[in-house]
Amino acid sequence: LAKTTQPISMDSYEGQEVNITCSHNNIATNDYITWYQQFPSQGPRFIIQGYKTKVTNEVASLFIPADRKSSTLSLPRVSLSDTAVYYCLVGDKASGTYKYIFGTGTRLKVLA
Amino acid sequence: DAGVTQSPTHLIKTRGQQVTLRCSPKSGHDTVSWYQQALGQGPQFIFQYYEEEERQRGNFPDRFSGHQFPNYSSELNVNALLLGDSALYLCASSTRMKSSGANVLTFGAGSRLTVL
Repeated sequence: LAKTTQPISMDSYEGQEVNITCSHNNIATNDYITWYQQFPSQGPRFIIQGYKTKVTNEVASLFIPADRKSSTLSLPRVSLSDTAVYYCLVGDKASGTYKYIFGTGTRLKVLA
Repeated sequence: DAGVTQSPTHLIKTRGQQVTLRCSPKSGHDTVSWYQQALGQGPQFIFQYYEEEERQRGNFPDRFSGHQFPNYSSELNVNALLLGDSALYLCASSTRMKSSGANVLTFGAGSRLTVL
């Protein structure tokens, strides 16, 4: 069962780059790494997903080293609206379908 | 294109009662997963439905049951409600996994259940 470990909380200032690292030592060969963002009283929202090396989209970058036992979500130039909880997920595949296990997430607070 | 819709958005029940929550998946999705999220905690996996059958289950008692209909929509039922069942219940839809590849969950806004 793949589990993830993230820092509980982080503070940053507007305009800075934020890097959130996730540890997933037991990741399986076919597992992808997915990051979600959640605002209070809302469902989590997909940010980015990757398998290895680097993935970039319009909102974030995801860095995955060769051993895939960790990953780093990078948010460039954060704003106050990026204040949220960020979850790193690794799929737990069983019976042909994935069961995603959420950790406690990282509470990011962006300060003015 | 409608995303995942859940109903009701809020509800209040008393201990011992039963509740049914409903979820319509995103268009094109055939798999529905349910999560319970207590205040300040991460979502906890309850179960997952595909082809109208429960495929995987988390560490939840039998008081939690579900159903998936032929149109892929789903219900979550909780019997004999306890105070500790108060939480945000999230429905997430996705497409069934292939032998390899990525899967992305699309979440609804949730149903906030308060048990008094």
